[in-house]
Amino acid sequence: GAVVSQHPSWVICKSGTSVKIECRSLDFQATTMFWYRQFPKQSLMLMATSNEGSKATYEQGVEKDKFLINHASLTLSTLTVTSAHPEDSSFYICSAPTSRKDTQYFGPGTRLTVL
Amino acid sequence: LAKTTQPISMDSYEGQEVNITCSHNNIATNDYITWYQQFPSQGPRFIIQGYKTKVTNEVASLFIPADRKSSTLSLPRVSLSDTAVYYCLVGDSGTYKYIFGTGTRLKVLA
Repeated sequence: GAVVSQHPSWVICKSGTSVKIECRSLDFQATTMFWYRQFPKQSLMLMATSNEGSKATYEQGVEKDKFLINHASLTLSTLTVTSAHPEDSSFYICSAPTSRKDTQYFGPGTRLTVL
Repeated sequence: LAKTTQPISMDSYEGQEVNITCSHNNIATNDYITWYQQFPSQGPRFIIQGYKTKVTNEVASLFIPADRKSSTLSLPRVSLSDTAVYYCLVGDSGTYKYIFGTGTRLKVLA
């Protein structure tokens, strides 16, 4: 199947700093990517849709100024958590649909811990 | 977006067949049904996808009745390594967005 990577796989930062997470589609192009967050023992929650060449679309309740998304190329989307606080600590996962849009492939996830 | 409903948890023993049923009453005509497996601290992994009737691959089978309002994932002869959370997802053919439900936490016992 198609491969989606994320970097870093885990990050620890101090409260108030910003953290950037990269999502790459390694063997296919993705004009759209999705960002999720997942708290322990809970399901994935869709945060936003990343669109190559245009602004991201955020789900209700997600602060667009706090979670900055940039889809700079057909293989790369980045999520920047600005002014991170301990409550932002979570598991962040990206996904990308392949040319057959009904199928999405997920990245391995990034564990963010804010101290 | 189609909402899915699954049992929250299931227990099984090694070697048994496990069937997990998912309800998606408001599935749209163009929507496909996709099942994913997730281990702790990993991203979901694609298992199988179907539109109608039956689909089988090397790891699972997917049964979809004619009205498509439900689907059943069948895992033959599970092993301890199949302990995971299984998600049934219905894709939005317009936006390709997935909305995750609770998933089913499968625990395989020795």
